[in-house]
Amino acid sequence: GAGVSQSPRYKVAKRGQDVALRCDPISGHVSLFWYQQALGQGPEFLTYFQNEAQLDKSGLPSDRFFAERPEGSVSTLKIQRTQQEDSAVYLCASLWTGARPDTQYFGPGTRLTVL
Amino acid sequence: DQQVKQNSPSLSVQEGRISILNCDYTNSMFDYFLWYKKYPAEGPTFLISISSIKDKNEDGRFTVFLNKSAKHLSLHIVPSQPGDSAVYFCAAGGGKLIFGQGTELSVKP
Repeated sequence: GAGVSQSPRYKVAKRGQDVALRCDPISGHVSLFWYQQALGQGPEFLTYFQNEAQLDKSGLPSDRFFAERPEGSVSTLKIQRTQQEDSAVYLCASLWTGARPDTQYFGPGTRLTVL
Repeated sequence: DQQVKQNSPSLSVQEGRISILNCDYTNSMFDYFLWYKKYPAEGPTFLISISSIKDKNEDGRFTVFLNKSAKHLSLHIVPSQPGDSAVYFCAAGGGKLIFGQGTELSVKP
């Protein structure tokens, strides 16, 4: 595909369930970012990968959040024992290394609702 | 603490007039700023950017102004069109982005 894709687009989870959110970046994009966007707020950085290496995970809100990108392409954001405060849109973005920052391309997001 | 702030949650403008969206930041180390546009149920789309070595960047109907001494930037859209109605986010950073809260622009025909 031409753009960043994310799945599922919508996810409803019961409190305490584990969820896995997938991101397919643009082919050839080395850098991948995850952001969390709460209702009425701007996206907030969660974590960053360069190829398969997770170089920055300073934005992950707790140890219930885990991200991986084992082959340097598709990435999965996993949230264990979901809580209501995890309800948000999770955005993935990819970037071609060496490009200016403005070429960070975002996917449509996964809207997570925790009941 | 919010390092990038957009103090106006919403803005309504008549078609053909100028839209001015404002953004303030607190960290003087930021050296790159971007504006993104977001439609409902879509991810943010890059609009325009500016480096801290410049004070203005223009792209068609969109111009971004940077006032480093005031730690303020603004996005001007002239002329505004109904299709510009969206949420606009300013962001700072060169990889990991720090976003403002967004301003919802409504351009009325």
